[in-house]
Amino acid sequence: GAVVSQHPSRVICKSGTSVKIECRSLDFQATTMFWYRQFPKKSLMLMATSNEGSKATYEQGVEKDKFLINHASLTLSTLTVTSAHPEDSSFYICSAQGDGENTIYFGEGSWLTVV
Amino acid sequence: DQQVKQNSPSLSVQEGRISILNCDYTNSMFDYFLWYKKYPAEGPTFLISISSIKDKNEDGRFTVFLNKSAKHLSLHIVPSQPGDSAVYFCAACGTSYGKLTFGQGTILTVHP
Repeated sequence: GAVVSQHPSRVICKSGTSVKIECRSLDFQATTMFWYRQFPKKSLMLMATSNEGSKATYEQGVEKDKFLINHASLTLSTLTVTSAHPEDSSFYICSAQGDGENTIYFGEGSWLTVV
Repeated sequence: DQQVKQNSPSLSVQEGRISILNCDYTNSMFDYFLWYKKYPAEGPTFLISISSIKDKNEDGRFTVFLNKSAKHLSLHIVPSQPGDSAVYFCAACGTSYGKLTFGQGTILTVHP
């Protein structure tokens, strides 16, 4: 079964609105979660590292004021796309880091379409 | 700057044969490598990984080979099955485990 869950799996929003995507670790605590973005037929690009109880670390070129990340608990990180534009339409995927080797678990992904 | 490269966008293989997916990297700080399988509109599924202290890791039908001097790794699937058809991504990380750099992916199609 899934150990990392994302919600919603699909969302359509209007330009200018904000949308929140949740990433939950289901049966383990994740002090660190990661947010990726995938454009059609492209690779997954790391957007930011989400650290529980502290500010997220953003990759170069990612607007932190546009992609707000909150990691308020050990099982939940949220990504809020603010003032969404059509070019923000993409597939967003989170991952959570557990303990030990081979313990990076990915969520199911969230399709965002901005119209 | 593509630090992890999968130069073959697609690969077609007959069922029962070997599938070999290749991946090259440029960052010598990478010391842990992973392969993921992904279907459209789904998150990646972990397949197999290898640490830079090894040159081979095997798990069932999947074997990953690492050539550090050439900065090259490959995933061998044998025998290939139609259910293996998917996009395969290689990924790498350094000391910040979990912060992955992905290749562009290779679409594997296994024909019955």
